[in-house]
Amino acid sequence: GAVVSQHPSWVICKSGTSVKIECRSLDFQATTMFWYRQFPKQSLMLMATSNEGSKATYEQGVEKDKFLINHASLTLSTLTVTSAHPEDSSFYICSAGRRRGGASNQPQHFGDGTRLSIL
Amino acid sequence: ELKVEQNPLFLSMQEGKNYTIYCNYSTTSDRLYWYRQDPGKSLESLFVLLSNGAVKQEGRLMASLDTKARLSTLHITAAVHDLSATYFCAVDKNIFGTGTRLKVLA
Repeated sequence: GAVVSQHPSWVICKSGTSVKIECRSLDFQATTMFWYRQFPKQSLMLMATSNEGSKATYEQGVEKDKFLINHASLTLSTLTVTSAHPEDSSFYICSAGRRRGGASNQPQHFGDGTRLSIL
Repeated sequence: ELKVEQNPLFLSMQEGKNYTIYCNYSTTSDRLYWYRQDPGKSLESLFVLLSNGAVKQEGRLMASLDTKARLSTLHITAAVHDLSATYFCAVDKNIFGTGTRLKVLA
């Protein structure tokens, strides 16, 4: 079964509203989670690295005030797209790796993604 | 002109999950209604909220009203497939929101 749960799976909103996406690790603790966005027929693009108990690390070109990330516990990270506009419409995917002594070479488990459509 | 807006417009979610639907309205009002509509059917009354801070719960649905913020919420707890429908808020009984179509996946 799924080890990373992402919710909701699809949202349609009017322009200007904010949308929160959740990413949960179901049976393991994840100090680090990753957020990606994917445009149609394109590869995943890493947006930010979510760190439990500290600020997220954003990739170049990703507005931190636009995409708010909160990693309040070892099993939950949230991505809030603030004041969303049509150009924010995309497929957003999170991933998490199992935490074993802080090792960084553990495989990532991906959520099912959230399709965000802004009218 | 009184405007009533709901967010989101459409929501697809898995069974067992929680989510909140928001209803914003533009002028003061002391009555807010939540309705459910199934395809091809009329509206079914869910809640009537009559005062600031009012909270009502029925099964997996809970509605609240903040008249100062001109905001009402409809919170869905542990969604089940049977909750799939379109939900409307309404102010002053006949000014309806844009509706939120909810689809709960089994």
